[in-house]
Amino acid sequence: EAGVTQFPSHSVIEKGQTVTLRCDPISGHDNLYWYRRVMGKEIKFLLHFVKESKQDESGMPNNRFLAERTGGTYSTLKVQPAELEDSGVYFCASSPLRGPTDTQYFGPGTRLTVL
Amino acid sequence: AQKITQTQPGMFVQEKEAVTLDCTYDTSDPSYGLFWYKQPSSGEMIFLIYQGSYDQQNATEGRYSLNFQKARKSANLVISASQLGDSAMYFCAMRGTGTASKLTFGTGTRLQVTL
Repeated sequence: EAGVTQFPSHSVIEKGQTVTLRCDPISGHDNLYWYRRVMGKEIKFLLHFVKESKQDESGMPNNRFLAERTGGTYSTLKVQPAELEDSGVYFCASSPLRGPTDTQYFGPGTRLTVL
Repeated sequence: AQKITQTQPGMFVQEKEAVTLDCTYDTSDPSYGLFWYKQPSSGEMIFLIYQGSYDQQNATEGRYSLNFQKARKSANLVISASQLGDSAMYFCAMRGTGTASKLTFGTGTRLQVTL
């Protein structure tokens, strides 16, 4: 069974540009989460999808971030326009809708560098 | 609000020795889950072990065990017979109940296994 995949693995952009990150969850996982780790700080929650619906977007830093999950499969996270403080590693995780432990399985992350 | 505290930014352990990574938590939820993840230098987040707040026994997964002390609000990870491949960042995380299933992470502990 394939794990969570993320694309790209690295992205280097200039301030003001747009970047779109993609996450493909484990097949059949209805829960999809985005997290971010800014250098030296803890991993922080951004938002949570259940299928195609946003269940919780309380962690989204501002309206420059837009997440979508059309069709309830893969998800994209767009940053427009990117700022220096957006640099960090963006993780995606997925879990089944109802599992015994609701363990979230993470992707390898996308390292975003904004210059 | 939930909070995870990992007070050890870095730890060293000799190969084949056991090591304990500390994690304390704070929550007002009556039911919660505690997780440990490993992040090797390659960057991916690997799920290690889960402990539910109502589980009567401490969780074990191979060389990993979780020393869960509910009254002290601690969930320390014990790695037995350390191997060089255990060198990595280790994150403790907590999940709340119901729709609030996002993970709250600690700042992590970097473990270095030496010969």
